[in-house]
Amino acid sequence: DIQMTQSPSSLSASVGDRVTITCRASQGISNYLAWYQQKPGKVPKLLIYAASTLQSGVPSRFSGSGSGTDFTLTISSLQPEDVATYYCQKYNSAPITFGQGTRLEIK
Amino acid sequence: EVQLVQSGAEVKKPGESLKISCKGSGYSFTSYWIGWVRQMPGKGLEWMGIIYPGDSDTRYSPSFQGQVTISADKSISTAYLQWTSLKASDTAMYYCARPRHTGYDSFDYWGQGTLVTVSS
Repeated sequence: DIQMTQSPSSLSASVGDRVTITCRASQGISNYLAWYQQKPGKVPKLLIYAASTLQSGVPSRFSGSGSGTDFTLTISSLQPEDVATYYCQKYNSAPITFGQGTRLEIK
Repeated sequence: EVQLVQSGAEVKKPGESLKISCKGSGYSFTSYWIGWVRQMPGKGLEWMGIIYPGDSDTRYSPSFQGQVTISADKSISTAYLQWTSLKASDTAMYYCARPRHTGYDSFDYWGQGTLVTVSS
């Protein structure tokens, strides 16, 4: 089965900073990669699908890139409301797998 | 409006059985897979399995195969997650979720979650 590995596992940055989270698949998954945001006590929210397509209603400071095995989620200018845990997910085939998550905090 | 409404929180004892539900509305229930996701306290998201209500085709994560049963009743647009003998380690929040499109896809609709607590 394909494993998804995120890095870092936690991250602290200042408001306005550019933040990058990486996700690596153990085998190629083309662009079948999604990113989710989960705020404490809330339901996960889809941010990006197909590696780089922004879900409707998601602020444009979020972007995704990558294909094959290496993917990136970028927040161009960190805002206080972006404090959350971020997960990547591969969905090309079952089993569908999430990364272990990256906890993002404000410095 | 697409909605997934899950059954309420449960408190159970080890060894008991449980079936939680996820009712879909606002779309063709038989045309989209429904997935189940576990989140243990303070931990990450784990994909458990997925069912296609149209023909009950079901796929499980190897980690959950044999541990739970996923089913669906298309006549009432409801998917289920079932345990025959709960363990304390089954204590978690369980979410159902629907992909963006028919076929495998990212999950754009989620249920509100069902908290299952297993304690003696």
